[in-house]
Amino acid sequence: QSALTQPASVSGSPGQSITISCTGTSRDVGYYNYVSWYQQHPGKAPKLMIYDVSNRPSGVSNRFSGSKSGNTASLTISGLQVEDEADYYCKSYSRNSSPYVFGTGTKVTVL
Amino acid sequence: EVQLVESGGGLVQPGGSLRLSCAASGFTFSTYPMHWVRQAPGKGLEYVASINGNDYYTHYADSVKGRFTISRDNSRNTLSLQMGSLRADDAAVYYCARDTQTGFAFDAWGQGTMVTVSS
Repeated sequence: QSALTQPASVSGSPGQSITISCTGTSRDVGYYNYVSWYQQHPGKAPKLMIYDVSNRPSGVSNRFSGSKSGNTASLTISGLQVEDEADYYCKSYSRNSSPYVFGTGTKVTVL
Repeated sequence: EVQLVESGGGLVQPGGSLRLSCAASGFTFSTYPMHWVRQAPGKGLEYVASINGNDYYTHYADSVKGRFTISRDNSRNTLSLQMGSLRADDAAVYYCARDTQTGFAFDAWGQGTMVTVSS
């Protein structure tokens, strides 16, 4: 089962907004509203930022938002801050033999 | 406070076996599905295996099916991953993760334990 496709890198200046895409298929992203997003700083464990496409867990800044259209989900970070510099991964529930599939990962750089 | 602490990682020869454990605390362990996720050095996250909270139903990634076994002991609040027929491409940091209980997202993670496969 192939990983979901994300851009390798996205960058922006402090205060700007950036969007990370996550493209899957009609058997995962396009079929279920079970896309989640994870932030991972170097040497640290991943942290859940968005679940069920657009829901934020308690404690996650409202600068993070999620959406989905067809087979592509998106994570938007508004008001970019230095501490947002990290790797971001999407994940979807899947109809394939493996129930979950992660994205390839996107490195966010704050210029 | 929710805590997940992995242990059991180390160096193992190709073809060998290793058992990872994850000690859970701060929540009612038996009511949550649990998962293992791995990350090879410098690479992305990869789903490994899942187990339901009470019926112990399991799922596996195709890459580990038949070689790895996920299990849990709800009386000891412990999640385990028995890994066999290990290959070089199984080398990774292995994380245990808790499900959101409503399902489909992983809302708590351990710090990870490193598995190295080399002769």
